[in-house]
Amino acid sequence: QVQLQQWGAGLLKPSETLSLTCGVSGGSFNNFYWSWIRQPPGKGLEWIGEILHTGRTNYNPSLTSRVTISVDASNNQFSLTLRSVTAADTAVYYCARVASQIISSRYYDYWGQGVLVTVSS
Amino acid sequence: SYELTQPLSVSVALGQTASVTCGGDNIGGKNVHWYQHQPGQAPVLVMYRDSHRPAGIPERFSGSNSGNTATLTISRAQAGDEGDYYCQVWTSGTYVFGTGTQVTVL
Repeated sequence: QVQLQQWGAGLLKPSETLSLTCGVSGGSFNNFYWSWIRQPPGKGLEWIGEILHTGRTNYNPSLTSRVTISVDASNNQFSLTLRSVTAADTAVYYCARVASQIISSRYYDYWGQGVLVTVSS
Repeated sequence: SYELTQPLSVSVALGQTASVTCGGDNIGGKNVHWYQHQPGQAPVLVMYRDSHRPAGIPERFSGSNSGNTATLTISRAQAGDEGDYYCQVWTSGTYVFGTGTQVTVL
């Protein structure tokens, strides 16, 4: 059974950098896209970006100027960096696995437990 | 950018049928996936590629997609089906989620 375990700082001040990591166990890491998704309080889900084990990335155009997703395939981990955070970045952040690279199967079959990140002065 | 519109809330009597819609421009030409999101938990995939149920999801859940509307149907609704439901598509290299629907079982 694939498991995703995520960790990182939960409280930030405006202008700081958000940093989260997601570790994958119980399944193959290669040949899958790995994503970050967030949910602000009282709002819906928002895709942040994804990375392949090779390091190939795709980002949400609305966040691309502030986001970097990196991978450590040797340790089955991938990370999210979001720079210059504001209160609007307060959200529960999830990591998730994309089921397949096939276009018809770009959905999330495994999710991390979620981490609440609060941005407050 | 592509948008997916869902009703804010849907109420269903215990044991009856609930339909959650997801509207988008020619969504029938895309693959639609659905997630159930309950408070304090990670989202769970309940339908993929319009009408396919993942292992462990009851047959009471079904899906369809045509024209400008995709629909998730929950038959014989149970209290455990309560939660927020999100549709999702992949289009133009991005993942788009619907606005979300809160399903309440009365």
